Amino acid sequence: AQSVTQPDIHITVSEGASLELRCNYSYGATPYLFWYVQSPGQGLQLLLKYFSGDTLVQGIKGFEAEFKRSQSSFNLRKPSVHWSDAAEYFCAVGAMDTGRRALTFGSGTRLQVQP
Amino acid sequence: GAGVSQSPRYKVAKRGQDVALRCDPISGHVSLFWYQQALGQGPEFLTYFQNEAQLDKSGLPSDRFFAERPEGSVSTLKIQRTQQEDSAVYLCASSLTTATNEKLFFGSGTQLSVL
Repeated sequence: AQSVTQPDIHITVSEGASLELRCNYSYGATPYLFWYVQSPGQGLQLLLKYFSGDTLVQGIKGFEAEFKRSQSSFNLRKPSVHWSDAAEYFCAVGAMDTGRRALTFGSGTRLQVQP
Repeated sequence: GAGVSQSPRYKVAKRGQDVALRCDPISGHVSLFWYQQALGQGPEFLTYFQNEAQLDKSGLPSDRFFAERPEGSVSTLKIQRTQQEDSAVYLCASSLTTATNEKLFFGSGTQLSVL
């Protein structure tokens, strides 16, 4: 069974500072990996995804993530955080080899941005 | 519509009541998912439809939960004899195709409170 761990429940950064949110997954084969963002009262929005090819993927809003198979990680990064980035971030894994459509989400990291 | 629409936005039920939650996916989207998000947690998969066919219901927590999508568009999640542990946000998501790495579009959810 696949699983996702987001070790940081809550992170606070200053506006303009760099950001890295950690995600570790457990899956027997090459996974599909996603980062979603959820603002209060809103649905989840896809930031980026990885399913093959280049291990560094670019997403919307200036975010990027790097797939590291040896570390079973898919950390999300942004070089300069904006106040509007304050939200909850979820990492998710999907099965590539079984065809099962369900995603497994982590428990999320809440990002707070200080002025 | 422009996005995934869920209704009602909030639902309060007395323990033992039946509830019905509605999801209007994006027009033409083949795949439809229901997820349950408990407070402070990530979404957990409940069930998946491909058009009108319910292909995966492995995440439904008990036989009190029932979902349908009779015409391959609107879906309803029904919970019978609600319990306090059913209190959560119920998220609906849709995607254009059946590909596992397809982007999911999420609704804003229905927040269910069982008293």
